[in-house]
Amino acid sequence: EVQLVESGGGLVQPGGSLRLSCAASGFTFSSHSMNWVRQAPGKGLEWVSYISSDSSTIYYVDSVKGRFTISRDNAKNSLYLQMNSLRADDTAVYYCARDRLFGYWGQGTLVTVSS
Amino acid sequence: DIQMTQSPSSLSASVGDRVTITCRASQGITNYLAWFQQKPGKAPKSLIYAASSLQSGVPSKFSASGSGTDFTLTISSLQPEDFATYYCQQYYTYPLTFGGGTKVEIK
Repeated sequence: EVQLVESGGGLVQPGGSLRLSCAASGFTFSSHSMNWVRQAPGKGLEWVSYISSDSSTIYYVDSVKGRFTISRDNAKNSLYLQMNSLRADDTAVYYCARDRLFGYWGQGTLVTVSS
Repeated sequence: DIQMTQSPSSLSASVGDRVTITCRASQGITNYLAWFQQKPGKAPKSLIYAASSLQSGVPSKFSASGSGTDFTLTISSLQPEDFATYYCQQYYTYPLTFGGGTKVEIK
């Protein structure tokens, strides 16, 4: 069974940093691209970042470029999102999702940016 | 960036109704379109990919069509478990973008 489990969310002050993790199991992680998608409270879905299976290709939504870094460790079956210079409008539930088709999603982890 | 516009943003329907949701892309995306269902407090669930292909395990009451810029999702006979928010999403090019969502509520 495919499982994606996010962790690392929490309350952080504006300007602070947080590192999200997504632990994958039930499939060959190294063969699949991955994404981060977020959802602000009461709002719609927003794609945040993509990383190819071998980390050779990475994309970001403009609003996080220069502040967020996506990475992965195929040996540990894990995906990461390093978030720096956090702002109030980064407050959201962050999901990891498999492939361009987003066929599988994690349960999400809540990031709250507030003083 | 490609803008995805869904309509309506919300609708009220009764159990057994046939419901259609539309999604329009700001430029042609061939058939690189997906549909998702999201229930409150839960992660989205993939329903449709490639504009009209049903994901494994998704019931056949869901159908979808379209190509280019105009797409539709139809639920043939609404059941209580189908009341949710539905999103379209283009994966033709980055940045990947979602529609604003359509909330299907009970009348």
